[in-house]
Amino acid sequence: EAGVTQFPSHSVIEKGQTVTLRCDPISGHDNLYWYRRVMGKEIKFLLHFVKESKQDESGMPNNRFLAERTGGTYSTLKVQPAELEDSGVYFCASSQETGLGEAFFGQGTRLTVV
Amino acid sequence: RKEVEQDPGPFNVPEGATVAFNCTYSNSASQSFFWYRQDCRKEPKLLMSVYSSGNEDGRFTAQLNRASQYISLLIRDSKLSDSATYLCVVNYNYGQNFVFGPGTRLSVLP
Repeated sequence: EAGVTQFPSHSVIEKGQTVTLRCDPISGHDNLYWYRRVMGKEIKFLLHFVKESKQDESGMPNNRFLAERTGGTYSTLKVQPAELEDSGVYFCASSQETGLGEAFFGQGTRLTVV
Repeated sequence: RKEVEQDPGPFNVPEGATVAFNCTYSNSASQSFFWYRQDCRKEPKLLMSVYSSGNEDGRFTAQLNRASQYISLLIRDSKLSDSATYLCVVNYNYGQNFVFGPGTRLSVLP
């Protein structure tokens, strides 16, 4: 069974450009999470989908970040326009409906804004 | 105060040593607890879940004290391959959110 996959694995963009990250969760996992690790800091929650609905987006830094999960399958996270402080590793994770189990993580997208 | 706190580290230990990691959490409504391991430039991977009764998996033992809101991980007979960052993760509100500690880095030296 495929795990959580993320695309791209690396992205280098200039300040002011737009980048879209994609996450494909494990099939059948209703819960999908986005997390971010900025250099030297802990992994921070961004938002949580249950199927196609945003359950909690309290961790989204500002309105330059937009996440979608149309159809409740894969999710995208768009940053527009990107700023230098957006650089970091963006992780996606998914978990089963029961929610108390573990979260499975994708390999992450390393975003560098220059 | 951070929601999940861990020993700052790094821990540098010789092969064969026993090492203990500590973690505290602030949200008393927390319902499930995990230790994840993260290798350099890789994604976090589940090491073990932590149960109230304590649980053991080979060289690894996890303990949970709900009254003190404290979680621990003990690694016995440490191997070079145990070198990684160990993340304490707490889940509350029935899967709404996984909250990560800052991690403690372990280096096992030959």
